[in-house]
Amino acid sequence: TQLLEQSPQFLSIQEGENLTVYCNSSSVFSSLQWYRQEPGEGPVLLVTVVTGGEVKKLKRLTFQFGDARKDSSLHITAAQPGDTGLYLCAGETHRGSTLGRLYFGRGTQLTVWP
Amino acid sequence: NAGVTQTPKFRILKIGQSMTLQCTQDMNHNYMYWYRQDPGMGLKLIYYSVGAGITDKGEVPNGYNVSRSTTEDFPLRLELAAPSQTSVYFCASRQDSPYEQYFGPGTRLTVT
Repeated sequence: TQLLEQSPQFLSIQEGENLTVYCNSSSVFSSLQWYRQEPGEGPVLLVTVVTGGEVKKLKRLTFQFGDARKDSSLHITAAQPGDTGLYLCAGETHRGSTLGRLYFGRGTQLTVWP
Repeated sequence: NAGVTQTPKFRILKIGQSMTLQCTQDMNHNYMYWYRQDPGMGLKLIYYSVGAGITDKGEVPNGYNVSRSTTEDFPLRLELAAPSQTSVYFCASRQDSPYEQYFGPGTRLTVT
C-alpha cells in the first residue's frame, strides 16, 4: 500500500501549457517535500511545506500544502522543455519510532515538448 | 563540497554473490538513508540511521544489511544477490532541521 498517491503518473504536454500534479494521502504529515529527478541522477529538493494551507512559489512553480496537511499540489505555469523530469512528493511523519522517515509517492513523469 | 558520494556507479552481480554499496557524506548529518528505485515505483526505504550506532529497518529490508560506525559512512551490504535486487540504489542524508534530504548520484545494480 502506498502512503502517498501521486497523480497523474505520466504527463506529456506542449511548451507553454499549464499543469498540476497532485499528492494525496489519508495520513497527516508534519512536512511535505517536492523533489525533481533527472535521468541518471538523484532527486533534488524543490521545496518543503510545513504549515497547513501554506503556498510557496518558485518562479513558475507553485506548491500548496492542504489545510489538513494530508495533501499537496504542484502547479507549473507555462511549462518549458527544461521542466521535463520525474517529480516526487515525499511526506514526513513523526509517528512512533519512524521519526525522520520520508514516505515517497511513485512520482509523476513530466515531458514538455518544444 | 562533495555532499553525498556513492560507489560504485554501476555493478553487475551474479546470483548468489555479495557486495557492499558504499555511501559517504561530508555534511556532518545525523540522518542517513538507503532507498531503492524501481521503474514506476518511486523510492522505497531499505534502511535508515538516526546517528552513529543506530539503524532501523525501512519498508523493504529483506536481503540487505547496514552498519553505521561513523557519522560519515553508511554502507549497504547485499548478501546472496537475487534478480529481485536489480534496481537503482540511492543513499541520502539530512540534518535535524530543516528536513531536506540530500541524495547521492545512485548505484545501478544488475543481478543476473
